[in-house]
Amino acid sequence: GDSVTQMEGPVTLSEEAFLTINCTYTATGYPSLFWYVQYPGEGLQLLLKATKADDKGSNKGFEATYRKETTSFHLEKGSVQVSDSAVYFCALTRYGNKLVFGAGTILRVKS
Amino acid sequence: DTAVSQTPKYLVTQMGNDKSIKCEQNLGHDTMYWYKQDSKKFLKIMFSYNNKELIINETVPNRFSPKSPDKAHLNLHINSLELGDSAVYFCASSPRTDHGYTFGSGTRLTVV
Repeated sequence: GDSVTQMEGPVTLSEEAFLTINCTYTATGYPSLFWYVQYPGEGLQLLLKATKADDKGSNKGFEATYRKETTSFHLEKGSVQVSDSAVYFCALTRYGNKLVFGAGTILRVKS
Repeated sequence: DTAVSQTPKYLVTQMGNDKSIKCEQNLGHDTMYWYKQDSKKFLKIMFSYNNKELIINETVPNRFSPKSPDKAHLNLHINSLELGDSAVYFCASSPRTDHGYTFGSGTRLTVV
């Protein structure tokens, strides 16, 4: 079945450091890919998405590129802030089916 | 405000009780979902309804029964609550899944 694998956390960075959270997927066909963010005590918010190969999703300084050859959708940000501390989820959906999530990666940013 | 709203936000109850969680969306979306998030933050789909029709029913105990009176509402009723049901339950909706979901803020259920 479809699955998403994310790097294990927690990831701890100092403010203004570069962030990468790795995400790879297993799915047949051409899934749509997403990153969601969950701030403490809140629900999930869609951060960015890409629906076809080589698409780049971007929002709030975060970026991720849909790489079909490596089945990856790594999340990056050039300079993190304390307010970026949250849990980040990579997810996919295929053919209008359910959204399948990775296990989530906790990000902690220190000032 | 356009949103997915679920009530209650917190629910503490004893083992064996029956409880319901309500969800409403005013986004005009056709599809609604229930997800369970465990203590390790892992999210797993439970149910999905499209325009009041059940389309996804994952391996969930029979004690869990969703009900969709109209396409803007999806409620979750849980019978004979067990300790292992303690989790955060999220409602979500989408116009189409490749547009992503809009999530409610969650209901933290604690069974004691």
